[in-house]
This record gives sequence, C-alpha cells and structure tokens, in this order.
Amino acid sequence: SAVISQKPSRDICQRGTSLTIQCQVDSQVTMMFWYRQQPGQSLTLIATANQGSEATYESGFVIDKFPISRPNLTFSTLTVSNMSPEDSSIYLCSVEPGRNEQFFGPGTRLTVL
Amino acid sequence: AQSVAQPEDQVNVAEGNPLTVKCTYSVSGNPYLFWYVQYPNRGLQFLLKYITGDNLVKGSYGFEAEFNKSQTSFHLKKPSALVSDSALYFCAVRDRVGANNLFFGTGTRLTVIP
Repeated sequence: SAVISQKPSRDICQRGTSLTIQCQVDSQVTMMFWYRQQPGQSLTLIATANQGSEATYESGFVIDKFPISRPNLTFSTLTVSNMSPEDSSIYLCSVEPGRNEQFFGPGTRLTVL
Repeated sequence: AQSVAQPEDQVNVAEGNPLTVKCTYSVSGNPYLFWYVQYPNRGLQFLLKYITGDNLVKGSYGFEAEFNKSQTSFHLKKPSALVSDSALYFCAVRDRVGANNLFFGTGTRLTVIP
C-alpha cells in the first residue's frame, strides 16, 4: 500500500492566477498520476508523471496549462495555470506501487472565482 | 477504446438488505476491473479488483463483485448493507494491453437507509 498526502487540501483562487498542488508519497514509486474530478462527474486522467522524464498528457490537457514536476520518486507537483472558473474541480494524485492497484490522495478542492 | 458504464446515478437500499451497484464495460482485449469508494471529503479507496481467475472477487468491507464476460459486467454486491456503506462508488477498467491509466465510470451514489 501507499499513504499519499496532498497540499493544499482546498483553495479558493482568483481568475487568472496559478496554483501549485503538491503530492507526497510515503514510499518510492515509479509512476504517479494526476486526475481531475469536476463537480458531479467522474475522474479524468490529466497526465502520467514518471521520475526523470517529461510527463505524458492525455487528450485535452496540455503542459502549458498543467505543468507537472517530478523531482524524485516520492514527490510531484501539478500547477493549474491561468485559472478560470471552469478549472474548479477536485485534483487527485495517485500512485501504483504494485501492479494493478492504484492508491489515491485525499484530493485538492479548487474553487476559482 | 475503453469505456465503463454505471447505469444508475443513485441506489437506495434499506439497512440489512442486499445491495447491488451495476457496472458494464467495453475494452478491446481482456479487462482489468476495479471498484473504488469515495466517502465525503475523502479520496478514493480501493475496494477490489478482477485480474484473472475466479469470477467472484472478494474485497474490503464485505464487498464482492462478479465478473461476467458474456454480459461484460462487473457488478458490486454486498449481502447486508450498512448505513456506513453510504458513499460514491466508482467502477474502473484498464485494457490489459493498453495504457497504464484507469478509465472510470460516472459513479453511483449509494444511500443505505436506516
């Protein structure tokens, strides 16, 4: 298993600003994932972040809007840039320390005014 | 393309009664199937998974799910519901030969009535 923490747990931001979300894992993992859960909707994968390489983005998500850092095997950040109200969501990171079992962080609830 | 359908947005069941949360899937190959639960203001928690082998999978908190290949279904079940089971349940699928990410259904909100 893996214990994941995220900071901040929630934030309220102004339009046009940026927010960086941190994800910390209690063990070393190769792959980390960032998901978005829009209000009342399911989870959508934003990108996969491997340590030592560029993040891989899913269709509809771009690096300029959601830059990701993965400086080591226990930490990653996701930045939501130039925010608009449509970016209001819960952002979750997850890891897969063993095959076929992902563990999720508690999420960051973002509200953009 | 992979997809998951949870046909019921909301399921209500009386405490002590059996519960079923439905899930159907579509993948190009053999699937990996998962159930997750999300309690209010908390992240997703893994419940159970089907990879291969016995079609009936047992998971956390007394939940189980049955893989039915002919019906492409993976319904979540529990013999006797508890009020504490009230939460949002997500079914997810991964294509065995595809990418590493999970494709999630839209979720089913389960309410167990005392």
